[in-house]
Order: sequence, then structure tokens, then C-alpha cells
Amino acid sequence: GQQLNQSPQSMFIQEGEDVSMNCTSSSIFNTWLWYKQDPGEGPVLLIALYKAGELTSNGRLTAQFGITRKDSFLNISASIPSDVGIYFCAGPSMNNNAGNMLTFGGGTRLMVKP
Amino acid sequence: DADVTQTPRNRITKTGKRIMLECSQTKGHDRMYWYRQDPGLGLRLIYYSFDVKDINKGEISDGYSVSRQAQAKFSLSLESAIPNQTALYFCATSVTHNYGYTFGSGTRLTVV
Repeated sequence: GQQLNQSPQSMFIQEGEDVSMNCTSSSIFNTWLWYKQDPGEGPVLLIALYKAGELTSNGRLTAQFGITRKDSFLNISASIPSDVGIYFCAGPSMNNNAGNMLTFGGGTRLMVKP
Repeated sequence: DADVTQTPRNRITKTGKRIMLECSQTKGHDRMYWYRQDPGLGLRLIYYSFDVKDINKGEISDGYSVSRQAQAKFSLSLESAIPNQTALYFCATSVTHNYGYTFGSGTRLTVV
């Protein structure tokens, strides 16, 4: 089946630093999504990308849809303690039912030191 | 109240026991999903339902069954729990052609 590989698996940074993480696939995706999971909660959608090369921001977060359509990147500027959590990339499964089921990456766990 | 409510939040059960995890939603969404989260493996799809009469297996359905009792309710059952089913389970909802899933807060299941 499809796999989404996220890197790094975890990162421990100082408050105020910028963060970069990425997601790659062996298959082409037409949509990329980034979710964040706060400790003890379910994931919440941060950003959705629909076109190759698209760059979209949500506050201090910026995500890009790679031009090869096989990767996506998420950057967080000036990190703060509440950025702690697990960040997941996701994309629509290649399924003949044509439903909107998502395949998720393994996640990047972000820890922020005050 | 939360848009997507999962019960119980935590459960410890013994090997071989039958257990049901419940999910209810107030979003009015037609589509509901059950995912399992394991460290480093992300979220893997167990079952999904596009409406009350539509149930489909996901990536890892073996050992699980589901029931869509109403548009707002989707339950997941482990017929005979085994230790490698210890995980965090999430229910999610969405509307057709929209990838913005709404997740519940999860059920942490431990099988001993």
C-alpha cells in the first residue's frame, strides 16, 4: 500500500527556533494535508494543499506542496511551548472506492524547551 | 460537548475478552472512520463507513468488526482481544469530498 515517510521522527528544539519537517511518498499525491496532535487529543487539521508548488500559511506555520507531487514540507517559525505535539502529513488513499480516506505518515514528534 | 465523542477514554482488558469502543458525533457528517495509532506508525485505517448502510474494511481490519447504528454512531469491536491490539484508537468524521477530518480524543486500550 501507499506509504508516507516523515522526517525527522522526533526533534527537540529551543523555544524561538524555527522548525522544518518533511513528508515523502513513492506515489504521486493530488492533495497533501498536515495535522497536529496535541498530547492526549486527536489530530486537528492545520493546512491543506491542493496544487503542486502551492505554498500556504496558517499563522506561524507554512506548508508547501512539492513540485514533484511526491513530497510536502511544513515549517514552523519562532516555536513556542504550545507547538509541542505530533505532526502528521496525510494524503488521499489510492482506493477504487474513490472515497476520501486518508493515509497518514508516521508523524514527527516535536518537543520545545522553554 | 465535543463534536466527536469516544467512550471509554481508557480501558484495560484481558486477552480473549470481547470489547466495544463507541463513537458518536454531533457534526452531522455522513462519513465515519476508525483509525489505530501506534508509536512511529502513524494512524492506520481499520474500517470506514460512508453512510449507515455502507461499511468497508480498511488497511488493518483483521480482528476487528464495526457497526454503524445510526448516522451519528459508529462502534468498533474486538471480538477476542489480543495483546498486539494494545494501541490508541481514534474515531473520525468527514463530509463527502472533504479531507478535513474531525477526530475524537481517542480511546487508549491495553490488552493484558
